[in-house]
Amino acid sequence: DADVTQTPRNRITKTGKRIMLECSQTKGHDRMYWYRQDPGLGLRLIYYSFDVKDINKGEISDGYSVSRQAQAKFSLSLESAIPNQTALYFCATSSTQQGFSTGELFFGEGSRLTVL
Amino acid sequence: GENVEQHPSTLSVQEGDSAVIKCTYSDSASNYFPWYKQELGKGPQLIIDIRSNVGEKKDQRIAVTLNKTAKHFSLHITETQPEDSAVYFCAVPPWGKLQFGAGTQVVVTP
Repeated sequence: DADVTQTPRNRITKTGKRIMLECSQTKGHDRMYWYRQDPGLGLRLIYYSFDVKDINKGEISDGYSVSRQAQAKFSLSLESAIPNQTALYFCATSSTQQGFSTGELFFGEGSRLTVL
Repeated sequence: GENVEQHPSTLSVQEGDSAVIKCTYSDSASNYFPWYKQELGKGPQLIIDIRSNVGEKKDQRIAVTLNKTAKHFSLHITETQPEDSAVYFCAVPPWGKLQFGAGTQVVVTP
């Protein structure tokens, strides 16, 4: 089983619908992230969480919200989906040593979202 | 924030040849430089990284070189094989909030 699991893997929805992408991890890592991947733009950070009570906006948070339900779970919501949110979304985790990030990100396999 | 540029965007190489991908960054305080590989249908995976106190690091057929003065670092793949075909991303700190380059699609042709 994957250490970082994303559901759903594929989703097609309509403009205006509310969508939730879920991420769970078995790595025991404190830090979790949501990235968005678009062709030619690389990976852009949407939100990140350094522990259960910590939520931070990333580079492109407008139109998105997140919830850290537990150390192992981090969900991304689109309250009212629009077509330019069509993209591949990745959840990632990282560990810490003495409170500092060790650097490496561990990614899930992605959730492909299409907004019509 | 940090600005990172990655070139080329696509790279086609013959099997057995070498491939080089370059990234430039803007923040001179950056001190950690990873490279990620993304195979088709999968999430990116760290393949090699380097810290600012060294100029080069090798791991079998891959290597990363760093030029802090010029603020660029490069991924080198030697003796390319079909399984090296993938998208490669460079990234720069801040720690825990990596900023990724736009990616390089590498195609290794037999």
